[in-house]
Amino acid sequence: AQSVTQPDIHITVSEGASLELRCNYSYGATPYLFWYVQSPGQGLQLLLKYFSGDTLVQGIKGFEAEFKRSQSSFNLRKPSVHWSDAAEYFCAVGSNYQLIWGAGTKLIIKP
Amino acid sequence: DTAVSQTPKYLVTQMGNDKSIKCEQNLGHDTMYWYKQDSKKFLKIMFSYNNKELIINETVPNRFSPKSPDKAHLNLHINSLELGDSAVYFCASSQEVGILGVGENTGELFFGEGSRLTVL
Repeated sequence: AQSVTQPDIHITVSEGASLELRCNYSYGATPYLFWYVQSPGQGLQLLLKYFSGDTLVQGIKGFEAEFKRSQSSFNLRKPSVHWSDAAEYFCAVGSNYQLIWGAGTKLIIKP
Repeated sequence: DTAVSQTPKYLVTQMGNDKSIKCEQNLGHDTMYWYKQDSKKFLKIMFSYNNKELIINETVPNRFSPKSPDKAHLNLHINSLELGDSAVYFCASSQEVGILGVGENTGELFFGEGSRLTVL
């Protein structure tokens, strides 16, 4: 069965520190992978996506993610977080017609 | 100019009532969706419409009835509300019906801000 796992329910990092949010997937075919961010009280916004090609994908707001087929992972990274990055982050894997979502990771920023 | 707008943003009602949530998108997209986000932030797709035609209908009680009067609108009507219906409901739209389109925004969903439904 297709599934997406985000092992960390919440992560706390200091402002200016680096960030890595983990995402593992189980999917039978070539995955189409996404990271979305949900700021408090807002809808979700696409950060980046991977369909094919270069396995290191650049997104908005200084985020990047790396697709590792051997590890079935698509981890999200940012070299230096800002207080405005505090939000819920969702990983998703796409079949042709719909997305399967992870449970989300809440990012908390310490001043 | 809001791309995907939902109303109302908050809705508090009693069990057994009927309520509707409206959604409109001004992006010119062909496909619209309703998602339910529970208290644990888990997102689950409920319905998807493409050009007013239902294409995804997940296992949702038939108390939930989507209506798409035109491709820019997708409303959600809920009959006989139950406590378990309390959640945030998100409307979303996408340029194409599938992930594997060819446009710049292929695979991207554009979400509304959500409608928080509380059933007492």
